[in-house]
Amino acid sequence: AQKITQTQPGMFVQEKEAVTLDCTYDTSDPSYGLFWYKQPSSGEMIFLIYQGSYDQQNATEGRYSLNFQKARKSANLVISASQLGDSAMYFCAMREGVGSSASKIIFGSGTRLSIRP
Amino acid sequence: DAGVIQSPRHEVTEMGQEVTLRCKPISGHDYLFWYRQTMMRGLELLIYFNNNVPIDDSGMPEDRFSAKMPNASFSTLKIQPSEPRDSAVYFCASNHDSYGYTFGSGTRLTVV
Repeated sequence: AQKITQTQPGMFVQEKEAVTLDCTYDTSDPSYGLFWYKQPSSGEMIFLIYQGSYDQQNATEGRYSLNFQKARKSANLVISASQLGDSAMYFCAMREGVGSSASKIIFGSGTRLSIRP
Repeated sequence: DAGVIQSPRHEVTEMGQEVTLRCKPISGHDYLFWYRQTMMRGLELLIYFNNNVPIDDSGMPEDRFSAKMPNASFSTLKIQPSEPRDSAVYFCASNHDSYGYTFGSGTRLTVV
């Protein structure tokens, strides 16, 4: 069965500092995808970044990067140069299977990130 | 591209009433998902469709919940009768390949 674990319920970070949000996962499927979503106080779910299990390099999207350590089954999100607008809930998610056979994604419990000015 | 459109944004209803939530996926997306978000249980997948066919409804809490997708551009989630414990934010999401899941803005349901 799939499982996503986010062990940090909340984090406080000073503006402009880098922050790492932890995510570990458990799956027996060799093919899977990992996602990070941001949910600001307004409530919408915003896709940030994706990493496939066979991707050779860590995914990057602007200030977001995913520190993918396959052997450790971890997929930590790194936000560089944090901004006040980064304050939100962050969810790690996983989908088993890749390619056109999309299937359900399951979410971790989330980490609430607060950026201090 | 208007994104995934959900209606209504907010719904307040009395216990026992029927509630219908609506979703219009992104055109061309052949997967549609319904999620429920609560403080206690986080984000839970209720049901998902592929090409309008329900694939996995194991997350549907009980028989009071039903979902349909009569065509590629419309889906409904119905709760009948509603109960206070159904109060939550309900999200619809759609997807074409396995990489990009786009969520709607959600429907905040309050059952009093």
